[in-house]
Amino acid sequence: DQQVKQNSPSLSVQEGRISILNCDYTNSMFDYFLWYKKYPAEGPTFLISISSIKDKNEDGRFTVFLNKSAKHLSLHIVPSQPGDSAVYFCAPYTSGTYKYIFGTGTRLKVLA
Amino acid sequence: NAGVTQTPKFRVLKTGQSMTLLCAQDMNHEYMYWYRQDPGMGLRLIHYSVGEGTTAKGEVPDGYNVSRLKKQNFLLGLESAAPSQTSVYFCASSLGLAGGNEQFFGPGTRLTVL
Repeated sequence: DQQVKQNSPSLSVQEGRISILNCDYTNSMFDYFLWYKKYPAEGPTFLISISSIKDKNEDGRFTVFLNKSAKHLSLHIVPSQPGDSAVYFCAPYTSGTYKYIFGTGTRLKVLA
Repeated sequence: NAGVTQTPKFRVLKTGQSMTLLCAQDMNHEYMYWYRQDPGMGLRLIHYSVGEGTTAKGEVPDGYNVSRLKKQNFLLGLESAAPSQTSVYFCASSLGLAGGNEQFFGPGTRLTVL
């Protein structure tokens, strides 16, 4: 029962271009959606989040879009930089519970 | 401010051996979690704690035990290690359960069970 799917295991993008990472979910109880970034041999670090009452949240080069009717969210990175090369996990969450559900991750490679 | 630390960073066990992984956080967070990450899979919750002296099962608790005797520490024990427990283990902590409260992760422990 995969509640969260990141269907692209990997993505390569040229430096300076846009990176778009996608995440689909099935549980309508999720009300917060977080993105984490993970470098090799390190733990995940929080990147950006969005509440279900919004459809867009922006933080510098990073923007997350939420389409509740489609149960889909995406992370846009513009412009992409080589330092953005990492694995990105989406992690939806239901307020008041202990449970973040992590997607399988997308490995982004930004080519210089 | 060290954040979340994990000990050890690497460990190799033989089947049937036991070990304890230690997680410590210095952010005064109430909630602590243990996850495992396997190739091609997201992080899966093993056990979690909502405060000192409390623990609860997560998604994949079998073969593991935990204790939270002090607020800042969360221990994960493997009583009799099996090759299926070969994984990378991450500890995390968070301030609470309110929406948007991100988790802070440790650097991970890579465990191999032969």
